[in-house]
Amino acid sequence: AQSVTQLDSQVPVFEEAPVELRCNYSSSVSVYLFWYVQYPNQGLQLLLKYLSGSTLVKGINGFEAEFNKSQTSFHLRKPSVHISDTAEYFCAVNREYGNKLVFGAGTILRVKS
Amino acid sequence: DTAVSQTPKYLVTQMGNDKSIKCEQNLGHDTMYWYKQDSKKFLKIMFSYNNKELIINETVPNRFSPKSPDKAHLNLHINSLELGDSAVYFCASSQAGTGGTEAFFGQGTRLTVV
Repeated sequence: AQSVTQLDSQVPVFEEAPVELRCNYSSSVSVYLFWYVQYPNQGLQLLLKYLSGSTLVKGINGFEAEFNKSQTSFHLRKPSVHISDTAEYFCAVNREYGNKLVFGAGTILRVKS
Repeated sequence: DTAVSQTPKYLVTQMGNDKSIKCEQNLGHDTMYWYKQDSKKFLKIMFSYNNKELIINETVPNRFSPKSPDKAHLNLHINSLELGDSAVYFCASSQAGTGGTEAFFGQGTRLTVV
């Protein structure tokens, strides 16, 4: 079975500062990795995903994530955040040929002016 | 055009009632899901359907019964509602295939049982 641990439940950061949201996963099989964002009272929207190839993947809204197989991590980064990035961010895994996303507990990103 | 739409968006009901949540997707996807997000925002899959066939049932109480009349619709019926059923329920869809396909989520139905 797969599992996902998001190490920080909340991350406060000032506007224009860089941010990193941490995600570690556990799986005995190959997995695909995802980051989703949830704005208040909305559904989830895909930010980016890692399937294979380059370990640095770029997503929407200036976010990027790096897959590190040896550390089983998939941390999300943004070099300069905006107030509008305030949301909850979920890391998720799905096994190859799987049909079930397994989510972490989420990290609330609070961007302050 | 909303890709995955759920109705209603809010649902307040008394314990013991039966209620349904409807979901429709216009993306032409083969696979649809129900996820439950609890008060701590933890998201957990409940059911998954592929071409109207149930493929995942994650130890959900049998008071919850999904129904897929066609591959564009997946409804969730809940009998004898309990306080612990209060949560946000998300419908999602994806194209069948490898596990790398993106899931598209609806806006959620916030169910409050009083």
